Amino acid sequence: EDQVTQSPEALRLQEGESSSLNCSYTVSGLRGLFWYRQDPGKGPEFLFTLYSAGEEKEKERLKATLTKKESFLHITAPKPEDSATYLCAVQAPGTASKLTFGTGTRLQVTL
Amino acid sequence: SAVISQKPSRDICQRGTSLTIQCQVDSQVTMMFWYRQQPGQSLTLIATANQGSEATYESGFVIDKFPISRPNLTFSTLTVSNMSPEDSSIYLCSAADRYGPYEQYFGPGTRLTVT
Repeated sequence: EDQVTQSPEALRLQEGESSSLNCSYTVSGLRGLFWYRQDPGKGPEFLFTLYSAGEEKEKERLKATLTKKESFLHITAPKPEDSATYLCAVQAPGTASKLTFGTGTRLQVTL
Repeated sequence: SAVISQKPSRDICQRGTSLTIQCQVDSQVTMMFWYRQQPGQSLTLIATANQGSEATYESGFVIDKFPISRPNLTFSTLTVSNMSPEDSSIYLCSAADRYGPYEQYFGPGTRLTVT
């Protein structure tokens, strides 16, 4: 059974204080690993897809990396508007696009 | 990326009643999905809505409790039947392209409270 574990559960940063979120996964083959951002009361917003170990993707202050067992979401010099829950999900081949999600990391960035 | 809307955005329902949630996508998509997100928990896939055929349900979810329709490539409904307080949750619709890229785009969700 596919499993996704995210850590930490919650993270509080000061503005400008860089950090990383972790997503560890167990899957029978990996078609893709996905990062989403979810604001309170809203649906998840797609951020990145990573397909193979060694791949990296960047968007503004966010950078996602992938190894064979885990993914990291690096946040550089965060701002208060980066406060949200960040979700990681994996997709295995032959599962008709089914996503298995972790429970997320709640990030709060303060001034 | 697809833009997805859901109706209603929230509802409060009585035990034993049913609620139908609508999901509309702004473009034709090959795949649509329904998820449940309970407070403080992860998203759990309920079923894949298949156009022109019966939905494919995940373990622990059954058609009698969560009937799903998908009459065309842009629209789907999820009904939560014979509701109990345990059904209180956020229900999310998503869409993806079967042939890639495989990321799913989500609607804003429907917050359901059962009293």
